[in-house]
Amino acid sequence: EDKVVQSPLSLVVHEGDTVTLNCSYEVTNFRSLLWYKQEKKAPTFLFMLTSSGIEKKSGRLSSILDKKELFSILNITATQTGDSAVYLCAVEEYSGGGADGLTFGKGTHLIIQP
Amino acid sequence: DAGVIQSPRHEVTEMGQEVTLRCKPISGHNSLFWYRQTMMRGLELLIYFNNNVPIDDSGMPEDRFSAKMPNASFSTLKIQPSEPRDSAVYFCASTPPKERDTQYFGPGTRLTVL
Repeated sequence: EDKVVQSPLSLVVHEGDTVTLNCSYEVTNFRSLLWYKQEKKAPTFLFMLTSSGIEKKSGRLSSILDKKELFSILNITATQTGDSAVYLCAVEEYSGGGADGLTFGKGTHLIIQP
Repeated sequence: DAGVIQSPRHEVTEMGQEVTLRCKPISGHNSLFWYRQTMMRGLELLIYFNNNVPIDDSGMPEDRFSAKMPNASFSTLKIQPSEPRDSAVYFCASTPPKERDTQYFGPGTRLTVL
């Protein structure tokens, strides 16, 4: 059973639309949730979320975490063709010390049409 | 800064051959991660090291896979013997000791096993 589930799997919208990407998780010792953007290369880091209800923003992107309901959303407003990418959600768990690995969802493939 | 360096960038080999993927983390980083990305399974964590010591190799698919980190500036991921289902993009990422919330990804190695 997948521990990190992203939805939708793919999404096609027109330029200028606003999109919301979802990530739900089920882990034992939650530490943080991370969002990445992956184009045709390695994923690039977008946000790390550790506390519920605190929105993080970067330009047209924003994200928020709900630790009670175990999900996060990534919003992109006024989308542009350059936003087309796979958006990955990953969850980090405590393991007692050192940097921990991540459990990734399968990603949402976002396509922005001009 | 050079960033995380991976080599080769692309490799095509025949099944049964040994494959060695290489990674040089960013200088000063003390954690190193190996990931595999496929369309079917998304991005999977294979193994990670902290201070050159393997911490969690539970993601390594089977005994054909092995990883080493002989020093702080070099790691290898070896597949022997390789199989067509090993075809994927393999990413290496590193994390500095006081910036645990961000993983810096290499460009990846695209492996094709015929």
